[in-house]
Amino acid sequence: EVQLVESGGSLVQPGGSLRLSCVASGFTFSTYSMNWVRQAPGKGLEWLSYISSGSSTIYYAGSVKGRFTISRDNDENSLYVQMNSLRDDDTAVYHCAFSWRNDYGMDVWGQGTTVTVSS
Amino acid sequence: QSVLTQPPSVSAAPGQKVTISCSGSSSNIGNNYVSWYQQFPGTAPKLLIYDNNKRPSGIPDRFSGSKSGTSATLGITGLQTGDEADYYCGTWDGSLSGVVFGGGTELTVL
Repeated sequence: EVQLVESGGSLVQPGGSLRLSCVASGFTFSTYSMNWVRQAPGKGLEWLSYISSGSSTIYYAGSVKGRFTISRDNDENSLYVQMNSLRDDDTAVYHCAFSWRNDYGMDVWGQGTTVTVSS
Repeated sequence: QSVLTQPPSVSAAPGQKVTISCSGSSSNIGNNYVSWYQQFPGTAPKLLIYDNNKRPSGIPDRFSGSKSGTSATLGITGLQTGDEADYYCGTWDGSLSGVVFGGGTELTVL
């Protein structure tokens, strides 16, 4: 079964840091580009970042550029996002997702991990 | 403010047809494929349509997608109460070098 499982979400103070993980199973992780997408409470979907299969191409949304860093370990079938300088408006459920066609659609999504930024 | 514009809500009766619009620009919809997602409360989004009008395996043909110029449309026929959900369009934006989503449309089946 194809599966993405996120972890690492928690309550963090403004200005703090957090590292989220996404473990993939059931498919050849190393051959697919990956994305992080978040959804703030009661709000819509917001794409955050993309990383190609070999990590050679990376993109960020303007809202997180310079604060978030996406990375992956193909040997560990894992995707990461290091989040620094967290703000209240970073509070959201964070999903990892990918497309079977290696384009910018998202066929498979994880259930998400919750990040709450609050003092 | 989302880059892609969707109506906040649409409604229709069971068995009827509904369309959800998604408006963008030449930097996104006009030159890239559009995807559509369905999301129920508390769950992850699910891909309904990719490449403007293709359905992944398992998605019923009641769901359809189309694109014209800088706008895209999701159509749902034979509405069921189980279709009540939020629907999002998404595509690549070449000017932003990133994926953009619409603000989402809440479908109510009356």
